Amino acid sequence: EIVLTQSPATLSLSPGERATLSCRASQSISSYLAWYQQKPGQAPRLLIYDASNRATGIPARFSGSGSGTDFTLTISSLEPEDFAVYYCQQRRKWPLTFGGGTKVEIK
Amino acid sequence: EVQLVESGGGLVQPGGSVRLSCAASGFTFSSYAMSWVRQAPGKGLEWVSSFSSGAGGDSTYYADSVKGRFTISRDNSKNTLYLQMNSLRAEDTAVYYCAKNLPIDYWGQGTLVTVSS
Repeated sequence: EIVLTQSPATLSLSPGERATLSCRASQSISSYLAWYQQKPGQAPRLLIYDASNRATGIPARFSGSGSGTDFTLTISSLEPEDFAVYYCQQRRKWPLTFGGGTKVEIK
Repeated sequence: EVQLVESGGGLVQPGGSVRLSCAASGFTFSSYAMSWVRQAPGKGLEWVSSFSSGAGGDSTYYADSVKGRFTISRDNSKNTLYLQMNSLRAEDTAVYYCAKNLPIDYWGQGTLVTVSS
């Protein structure tokens, strides 16, 4: 099973600051990585697929990069609605796996 | 507009069974892989099962934690995805989400399954 390790577990930032979230895979997953945002009491929402492609309707301040084993989600300037939990997920091999999540909280 | 509406959750005793349903609309259901993902209270996301269809036929996949106990199925004539859950354990307590496509591009709002005596 491919293990995804997200870091940091919690990121404390202020609105307007840049957020950099990391996801590391235990083996190469090429670019088969997605990022999701989840707010309390809501279902997750797809942000980025195949490592760097923004999903429909996702603002340009969200960007993804990486390939192989190291991936990054960057939020260029945090808006109040961006404070949430972010998960990465791989679909390179079964079983599909998710990272443990990074909580972006208001400092 | 894509809609995924789960139903069938509730309180069930350990060792019991429940069947979840997911009614899909707003897209050509038969053309997409469908999955179940769960989230235990206060925890992260855990993939449970997927059903895909391709040139070679239908394929189903399961997490080790549910293999042999859960069965995923779909009825394309009814645009509905199912998850039959047997031999339920306390650790199966979670919100179960129905999800479209791989990578997952739409999620339902989830249905809570609580396994407790």
